[in-house]
Amino acid sequence: SQKIEQNSEALNIQEGKTATLTCNYTNYSPAYLQWYRQDPGRGPVFLLLIRENEKEKRKERLKVTFDTTLKQSLFHITASQPADSATYLCALLRDDKIIFGKGTRLHILP
Amino acid sequence: DSGVTQTPKHLITATGQRVTLRCSPRSGDLSVYWYQQSLDQGLQFLIQYYNGEERAKGNILERFSAQQFPDLHSELNLSSLELGDSALYFCASSVDGGSPSYNEQFFGPGTRLTVL
Repeated sequence: SQKIEQNSEALNIQEGKTATLTCNYTNYSPAYLQWYRQDPGRGPVFLLLIRENEKEKRKERLKVTFDTTLKQSLFHITASQPADSATYLCALLRDDKIIFGKGTRLHILP
Repeated sequence: DSGVTQTPKHLITATGQRVTLRCSPRSGDLSVYWYQQSLDQGLQFLIQYYNGEERAKGNILERFSAQQFPDLHSELNLSSLELGDSALYFCASSVDGGSPSYNEQFFGPGTRLTVL
């Protein structure tokens, strides 16, 4: 069956450093991959979308890579700030199907 | 604030009961999506409606149903509730009716359902 894995442990990163989050998947060939941010008790907020034929996408301090051979996406936040602390979800999409990972909790330490 | 509203914020009910969750999409958005989020399952896509018609279906149980009305608001009906249905239920909206693939979705604040 299809499986998405994100770092299950929380990630602690020092302020100013680059945070890198991983999304691995098996038994699936997504056409698109999305990253969302979710704060406690709130709905997810869309951050970035990357297509299967794109290797990399950037938006301000955010960068996403998508390697369909490795079946992996990496999500980077450069010059991280305490306000970046949240849970980050990846979602795989093809046709009418969307599957979310369980998310990685990121703590940016001042 | 995403512009998507959901009511009620919290709902506590008993097993076997039926509840209705309500969602109003962002102004101008034609698609509404429903999701269930629990600690063990994560965020699960349930169903999508576009301009009143069912557009895509995910892991929605037969005890659950949804509809989208002419004013584009949507309701999710959950019946014969079980303890395992306790979760956060999110509604999201997007501008057009393409599959979930390439639409940026705007999520509401969610309804927390507790089944006792």
